[in-house]
This record gives sequence, C-alpha cells and structure tokens, in this order.
Amino acid sequence: EPEVTQTPSHQVTQMGQEVILRCVPISNHLYFYWYRQILGQKVEFLVSFYNNEISEKSEIFDDQFSVERPDGSNFTLKIRSTKLEDSAMYFCASSREGLEAGTPYNEQFFGPGTRLTVL
Amino acid sequence: QKEVEQNSGPLSVPEGAIASLNCTYSDRVSQSFFWYRQYSGKSPELIMSIYSNGDKEDGRFTAQLNKASQYVSLLIRDSQPSDSATYLCAVGSARQLTFGSGTQLTVLP
Repeated sequence: EPEVTQTPSHQVTQMGQEVILRCVPISNHLYFYWYRQILGQKVEFLVSFYNNEISEKSEIFDDQFSVERPDGSNFTLKIRSTKLEDSAMYFCASSREGLEAGTPYNEQFFGPGTRLTVL
Repeated sequence: QKEVEQNSGPLSVPEGAIASLNCTYSDRVSQSFFWYRQYSGKSPELIMSIYSNGDKEDGRFTAQLNKASQYVSLLIRDSQPSDSATYLCAVGSARQLTFGSGTQLTVLP
C-alpha cells in the first residue's frame, strides 16, 4: 500500500540554523500538507500546497517557513532560522483532493514524521 | 477561531466492551470529519472519514455525525488491548484540518 515517507526521522540543529525537512507524498496525490505537533500538544496545521503554490497557511507559518516541490516527487519544508520553540514533530500528509471536495478522496494520509530538536 | 473539542479522558474500558469517543466542533460550515488513531511517538493513522449525517460503519468502528448539533462520535465495538491509543478527531473546513487534543483510550485485558 502506498505510503507517505519523510526524511530524516530525527534532526538536531542549533538555534538560528536552517533546516529542510523532506517528504515524498503518495504518488497519485495532488494536495500536500505540513503539520506540527509539539510534545504533549495538539496536531497543528501549518500549510497546504496544490498546483505548485500555497493554498492555505496558518498563523504559525510565518516568513521563517517556506515550502517547495523541487521535483516530481519531493515536497519540502524549510525553516530559515530555527528557534527553540520550533522543536516538535513535523508531519507531512497528502490527499488526492482538497478538503473542499467533501468526499473520501480528501482523506489525508500522514507520514511517520520528523522529530526536530533545536538546541 | 475554529475549535474542536474532545472529552479529555483518559478513558479505560475492559477488553470486549464498547468504547465511545466524542467530539464537538465550532465551525458550522465544516464538511469533512475524520477520526485518527495515534500511538505514542507515532504519526496519526486514519481510521474513518464521515461526510453526511448519520452512521458509518467499518468493521468494529462506527462513526456518527450530527451536523445540527455539531457533534461527531466514534464507537469501537469489541475493544482490544491493541486499540489502546490516543484518538484524534479532525474537522475539515476552509482548506484546513483542525484537530482536537485527543482522547487517550486504554483497553484493559
């Protein structure tokens, strides 16, 4: 069964450094997402991406964050200058259709996550 | 501010019993509703989606949706120890999926 994959599984970085988290969505999916989950807290939406552009973003997704689909398979999240409070699990997800569809094609499937630790 | 509230738990049920998980949401225009299961340290795993009022059954799981009451629930029949996890309610609207804080379920052997 197709799966979303993410690399690395764990990333440790120093405050102020740039990190790039990578995801390979399910191959026939067109919508891609990033979420984060701070330890012990809710899963929080960061951004959705469709047709090579951001379709929705949350207040968390400020100028320090960017997303890119550099080729036909990868989807990346870049954090330009990491802060201590960026330490969290980052999940990539994908779906065939967007949430507006209101059909099971908008089901989002999550990758295993990248644990980001900022020191 | 879109909110999704779940009964805080933790919830403990004996093996073989029915576990009942509840969720309310604030955004009336929400169209898509999901239940995910999350084991400790793992990513959310989709259990069920539901889009229209009423019940939807899939094996031991039944999701119920009442849009007038802005209420979603998940019933797990014949609960097994392997069902012990945190169950996340997620509501889709305006291109965003909003998650509740989850209900921790423990199924006692």
